[in-house]
Amino acid sequence: AQSVTQLDSQVPVFEEAPVELRCNYSSSVSVYLFWYVQYPNQGLQLLLKYLSGSTLVESINGFEAEFNKSQTSFHLRKPSVHISDTAEYFCAVMKGANNLFFGTGTRLTVIP
Amino acid sequence: DTGVSQNPRHKITKRGQNVTFRCDPISEHNRLYWYRQTLGQGPEFLTYFQNEAQLEKSRLLSDRFSAERPKGSFSTLEIQRTEQGDSAMYLCASSNGATSGRRDEQYFGPGTRLTVT
Repeated sequence: AQSVTQLDSQVPVFEEAPVELRCNYSSSVSVYLFWYVQYPNQGLQLLLKYLSGSTLVESINGFEAEFNKSQTSFHLRKPSVHISDTAEYFCAVMKGANNLFFGTGTRLTVIP
Repeated sequence: DTGVSQNPRHKITKRGQNVTFRCDPISEHNRLYWYRQTLGQGPEFLTYFQNEAQLEKSRLLSDRFSAERPKGSFSTLEIQRTEQGDSAMYLCASSNGATSGRRDEQYFGPGTRLTVT
């Protein structure tokens, strides 16, 4: 069964425009949710995470994600994107013994 | 502060050959993970070590795959009798987890890209 669904494989957006990358998860138990970013020719880097507490989590570079239990979503948003945000973004859920289950990724392309 | 390192970064091999990859985790991290990422997909979990103990293996890890972490530090992933379907990026990650099962951030290495011809 698919644990994480990222419906948008590619998202082109103009520089300084807002963006939302969608992520839905399937789970009947408590989940821990993550967004990872992969810049060209680099390894995966953690962008932000939800473990507990406030449902709105933020990264240091302006991204935020909101855990919505009723909609089983953890969408990633940024109000104004930069060229440097061009990358592949992966949503992931942690289950069991710390194993991460990733979505198929969304390629964000910021257009000058 | 050295991150997770993986060697080699690229490996091209002929079908039927054996290959071995190495992962050096962040030094104080006791947990080590292997993932596989194919084109257009997210990483898929393969196996996980707590210190030197291999605690979990995915069904993706066929009997041609073996992973070790003999001293609880670096790890190796060996694929025997490689097949074209093994072509992928193999990612290693480590985390500093306590035995209490705390959900810890995993730090990923740059990966080893395997091409089986």
